[in-house]
Amino acid sequence: QQPVQSPQAVILREGEDAVINCSSSKALYSVHWYRQKHGEAPVFLMILLKGGEQKGHEKISASFNEKKQQSSLYLTASQLSYSGTYFCGTEFTGANNLFFGTGTRLTVIP
Amino acid sequence: NAGVTQTPKFQVLKTGQSMTLQCAQDMNHEYMSWYRQDPGMGLRLIHYSVGAGITDQGEVPNGYNVSRSTTEDFPLRLLSAAPSQTSVYFCASSRAQRAGGAFFGQGTRLTVV
Repeated sequence: QQPVQSPQAVILREGEDAVINCSSSKALYSVHWYRQKHGEAPVFLMILLKGGEQKGHEKISASFNEKKQQSSLYLTASQLSYSGTYFCGTEFTGANNLFFGTGTRLTVIP
Repeated sequence: NAGVTQTPKFQVLKTGQSMTLQCAQDMNHEYMSWYRQDPGMGLRLIHYSVGAGITDQGEVPNGYNVSRSTTEDFPLRLLSAAPSQTSVYFCASSRAQRAGGAFFGQGTRLTVV
């Protein structure tokens, strides 16, 4: 039931853009995005609900395609502070829990 | 602001020992969950609770028990520790899955020898 994330890892130079994808084989009600830095707890970035709009926060935004059961996280003009592992969490229609993907390790270099 | 507090932060157990990982939140959240994180596996759901007195199994519940006698506390019990339970454990809470994101505790790094 885990969603599938891609790519598994990506290396960027400061200022470059990246897209992280998350897909599910089951009907989704919501998609969450989290970032985890090494040795720390995951931190919530945003949630996208079925029927909702594309969300954004400064240079990090996300979309949710309900028909394809997919979500994408967009990181624009990346900064060093964006480095970490990004997880998508998916909630299925009718369920009360969150299943996480295996993560995408993002490294931003100067 | 305490948020979600997990204790202990580190623990070493011998095979066959039992222990309880503590989790407490002060945000009056309904939902609480336990995840384990292993390299390359992401976060896998062990047990979760949608309110006091209500618990349910997640993806990997075997070898673990939980209870939710109060809104604030959600302890995770390892019944008879095995090396396969070596992992980092995270507790999380949220108002409701659809109302916003989850807040995670700082994690417990458990080693079973």
